[in-house]
Parts: sequence; C-alpha cells; structure tokens
Amino acid sequence: NAGVMQNPRHLVRRRGQEARLRCSPMKGHSHVYWYRQLPEEGLKFMVYLQKENIIDESGMPKERFSAEFPKEGPSILRIQQVVRGDSAAYFCASSPKDLIRGNEQFFGPGTRLTVL
Amino acid sequence: SQKIEQNSEALNIQEGKTATLTCNYTNYSPAYLQWYRQDPGRGPVFLLLIRENEKEKRKERLKVTFDTTLKQSLFHITASQPADSATYLCALDMGGGSNYKLTFGKGTLLTVNP
Repeated sequence: NAGVMQNPRHLVRRRGQEARLRCSPMKGHSHVYWYRQLPEEGLKFMVYLQKENIIDESGMPKERFSAEFPKEGPSILRIQQVVRGDSAAYFCASSPKDLIRGNEQFFGPGTRLTVL
Repeated sequence: SQKIEQNSEALNIQEGKTATLTCNYTNYSPAYLQWYRQDPGRGPVFLLLIRENEKEKRKERLKVTFDTTLKQSLFHITASQPADSATYLCALDMGGGSNYKLTFGKGTLLTVNP
C-alpha cells in the first residue's frame, strides 16, 4: 500500500511564476491536509480538504494561494506569482476519516519549493 | 493562539542512555498531543498520540507523559540507538472544535552517539 505521494519533490521557480504542487493521498483516504514548513520554523497548517470540498482554509494566505481536491486525481496546491518568501517545504498529509478524537495523519515526503 | 516550545533545538546523548524531550504549551488545553519523527528531507512520521485524559502511554522503547496541569509532555526513548537520531516534533490540536488542525513545535534534533 503506497504511502502519501507528492510531486515534484523539488521545484524551482522564478519570482512571478506559478507553482503547482501535487499530492496523492494514501489509498482509501479521503481527507487531505497541507502544511508549510519555513526554514527554522515548525510546520504550519494551511488547508484541510475532502473530495471536492474545502473544509478549512484558515491557514492559507489570503492571496495567491489556492487548493483543490477534485473527485478524480490528486490534490493540488497552487501558488500564483511566487515570491522569495514562498520558499519552503510543503507537506501533504492524509487520513482515512475525520480526526474527531485525534487520529494520526500520514505525511508525504514533501515538495521543496525554491523561488529565485 | 496556541504556542508550543520544545525544550532545546538539539540534544546529544550516548548510546544506551535514555533521551528525554520536553514539549510545553500555553493557552488552551489540547484534546490530544502527538509526537512525530522527522528525518532530513522526509515528511514527519507518526509515533505516539496521548489524549487529555491519559497520563502516560508506551510503545516499545518509547514513553510519553502528558501533564495538563503543567501543560507539558515528556517524550522518552529508552536504550537509545544511533538509529534514533532524528528530529522529534510535538504536535497539538488547535482546539476550538478543529481537532484536525495540528500545530507543531520546531522540533528537537536528537543525536545518539555510538
């Protein structure tokens, strides 16, 4: 059973370009979470999605960032007009059900975004 | 908002000794607390979860305690091995009914010397 998959593992973009990060959850998991890890910082929650629904995007910057989890295919985190401050590791996690009582989240290997 | 502090950025110990890592939090009391391991270039891997009504939980050489009065969790690795060297992260739910949102500490880098 494959774990959470993320691609690309490394992504280099110039300022102003768009970055698209993909996440395929574990088989049977319908809940996806995106986190960002800035250098020397802890992971920060960004967004929680279920199939075709954004449940909570309170951790997402108001502009330039968007996320989706379509009925078919991976979840996508999209960053438009990237700036140097967007350089970070972006992790996706999945779970098989609501974390009503704190079930574990399974993390992918991350995408390391570098903005030149 | 919740604030998490992990006792030190780095901890060095000798093989065979017990490693003790500390996680302190402020503000509200979380419903549960989790510990993760993260290796360089990898995503976090879940280790243990302890709920607010539990004092202690064990898994093989790992032990976690949860003191809601002190607002502190201790994470112990007994009979440590060089393979235990990694960054260990403490994570809490963010409360307010949003149990799915985890907030993480910056982590403690543990190095076990042979």
